[in-house]
Amino acid sequence: SQQGEEDPQALSIQEGENATMNCSYKTSINNLQWYRQNSGRGLVHLILIRSNEREKHSGRLRVTLDTSKKSSSLLITASRAADTASYFCATVNTGGFKTIFGAGTRLFVKA
Amino acid sequence: EAGVAQSPRYKIIEKRQSVAFWCNPISGHATLYWYQQILGQGPKLLIQFQNNGVVDDSQLPKDRFSAERLKGVDSTLKIQPAKLEDSAVYLCASSLTQGNTEAFFGQGTRLTVV
Repeated sequence: SQQGEEDPQALSIQEGENATMNCSYKTSINNLQWYRQNSGRGLVHLILIRSNEREKHSGRLRVTLDTSKKSSSLLITASRAADTASYFCATVNTGGFKTIFGAGTRLFVKA
Repeated sequence: EAGVAQSPRYKIIEKRQSVAFWCNPISGHATLYWYQQILGQGPKLLIQFQNNGVVDDSQLPKDRFSAERLKGVDSTLKIQPAKLEDSAVYLCASSLTQGNTEAFFGQGTRLTVV
C-alpha cells in the first residue's frame, strides 16, 4: 500500500499562476521528499524536508511539513509551461527507511 | 557523474515467458531500489537493498519476482513467469544512504506483456 496521498489528482493553471499540491500520510516519518516526473522521463528529486523542519525553499519551490496533521504541501510560484509534469511525494518511515511514493498530482500549465 | 543505468529500455514478451532487468547504480551508493510504475499511478516499491542485503521486499510477488544485488553493486530483477498485469515501467533508483538523502532514478524499463 502507498503511504502518501496527493491532492488534487490533477491541476490545470495558467502560466504565471501559483500551483499548490498537498500530500497526506499515515505513519511517522523520518523525512518527506517531492519528486517530479515529466512525460516519458524519469523521476527527478526536487526537495527533501526532515521531520524536525517546518518549511524549506528551493528556487520557486516552497515545501511545508506539518507532522501533527501528517501533511505536506508543495507550492510552485510563477509557474511555467515547463513545470507541466506529475509531482509525487515520497515518505521515508522511521526505523526501516522504506521510501514510499503517493499516486501523484498531474499539473498542467497552459501557456 | 554517471547516472543510474538500466537496460533494456523496452521489452515485449508473451505471458508466461521470463524476463530480466539490469540496473547499475551510481558508484558509491549503498541503497538500491526497484519500483514498479503502472501507467497513471505512483511508483510502487518492490524491493530495497542496503549494500547486498534486503531491507524490504514486502510488496515483491515472490512467487514470480526475484531480485538480487551481487557484491552490493549491480542488481537484476527477474519475472518468471510473466502475467499481463506485470505490464509497467520498472524503475531502478539508488541513494548514498538509506532514506536520508535523495534517490536518483534511471530511465526505467518499459515492459509490455502480451
